[in-house]
Amino acid sequence: DTAVSQTPKYLVTQMGNDKSIKCEQNLGHDTMYWYKQDSKKFLKIMFSYNNKELIINETVPNRFSPKSPDKAHLNLHINSLELGDSAVYFCASSQGEERIYGYTFGSGTRLTVV
Amino acid sequence: GNSVTQMEGPVTLSEEAFLTINCTYTATGYPSLFWYVQYPGEGLQLLLKATKADDKGSNKGFEATYRKETTSFHLEKGSVQVSDSAVYFCAIKVGGGNKLTFGTGTQLKVEL
Repeated sequence: DTAVSQTPKYLVTQMGNDKSIKCEQNLGHDTMYWYKQDSKKFLKIMFSYNNKELIINETVPNRFSPKSPDKAHLNLHINSLELGDSAVYFCASSQGEERIYGYTFGSGTRLTVV
Repeated sequence: GNSVTQMEGPVTLSEEAFLTINCTYTATGYPSLFWYVQYPGEGLQLLLKATKADDKGSNKGFEATYRKETTSFHLEKGSVQVSDSAVYFCAIKVGGGNKLTFGTGTQLKVEL
């Protein structure tokens, strides 16, 4: 199936731990994103990479570090997890004419920090 | 900066009722406009879009018209179904940048 896939789907971890979320797209898109959705469903962009190069880096704590080994992958590593990091994290990708085709989103990773 | 304002939810309707979800935006340039839908437990899916003034986007019975004069992109459906229950997000993209700016989402609940 062609898609944006994220793993894991659910992640429960303790405060202070370090965790990673992986994202892969097989759509051949050049640009990938990470969005955070809080408990009120508000979506906020965190990062964007185009061909492995960081192009958007919103105001995000430096405990969050994206890594793009190639243009089909964009992983998110989080150090020293805090309670406020609990959210659903969505990966997305796009290609060229986003104004026409929009983004393709993954199904999300629900992170719960306890 | 760019921003999107949506009506607050939840919106609760009976099946076959008429739906309107309001969306207005502010943008520094000439944006493209989108509606995304998020069904329970899933990621966002593009529902419809419009790229220039007076364009009408439509899909699955939903429609929205790009109104430049009122900077609005209201979502409408003539007869909703229980399966339309979801969270709906209005979004804009300005110029050549890659960033989509989302509204806060509006939850729709359709009951029998």
